[in-house]
Amino acid sequence: DAKTTQPPSMDCAEGRAANLPCNHSTISGNEYVYWYRQIHSQGPQYIIHGLKNNETNEMASLIITEDRKSSTLILPHATLRDTAVYYCIVRVVYNFNKFYFGSGTKLNVKP
Amino acid sequence: KAGVTQTPRYLIKTRGQQVTLSCSPISGHRSVSWYQQTPGQGLQFLFEYFSETQRNKGNFPGRFSGRQFSNSRSEMNVSTLELGDSALYLCASSSRMRAGPSTDTQYFGPGTRLTVL
Repeated sequence: DAKTTQPPSMDCAEGRAANLPCNHSTISGNEYVYWYRQIHSQGPQYIIHGLKNNETNEMASLIITEDRKSSTLILPHATLRDTAVYYCIVRVVYNFNKFYFGSGTKLNVKP
Repeated sequence: KAGVTQTPRYLIKTRGQQVTLSCSPISGHRSVSWYQQTPGQGLQFLFEYFSETQRNKGNFPGRFSGRQFSNSRSEMNVSTLELGDSALYLCASSSRMRAGPSTDTQYFGPGTRLTVL
């Protein structure tokens, strides 16, 4: 199963865009990229997922490089409530719902 | 729709005891997965149930077991508790409709915080 690499922490000013990178250089053609976030001691919250095209929803945008070896989650206007640990997950579609969570990126949004 | 619910939210047990945690998935969801989260190991997959059958299992000892009922509610049991079992136990459900490839999204509950003394 493909592994992901994320920076352990990032800072972002409130109101600015937060760009969270993820490296998944060993990703296979049938593996999706998922993003979740976890606010302290709560259950992870789904944000967005994609296969190869860029995706956007009301929470965020997901940019996946053409070779699919990396992706970036973009929170367009970060607020203090976006402070959380963000997990990038590569999910094997045929392997049922077994998600591999890495260490994630702690995003600190500062006023 | 109501989200995934887990009971109890907090639990304190002593070593050697056993514990049962409960998870009610989102209405209509048939797949339930369990995860353990500790500061040292992070989030680790325990097992998944779909249509009352365990479909996938993580690398945990046999003391960790689970089951799913016909209404999709699930329980997990940990026997002979050890100090290292202290963790946040998370349940997630998804709308998977068949036991095969799927891109359904998992939705997590708030977790049960288990402390073993």
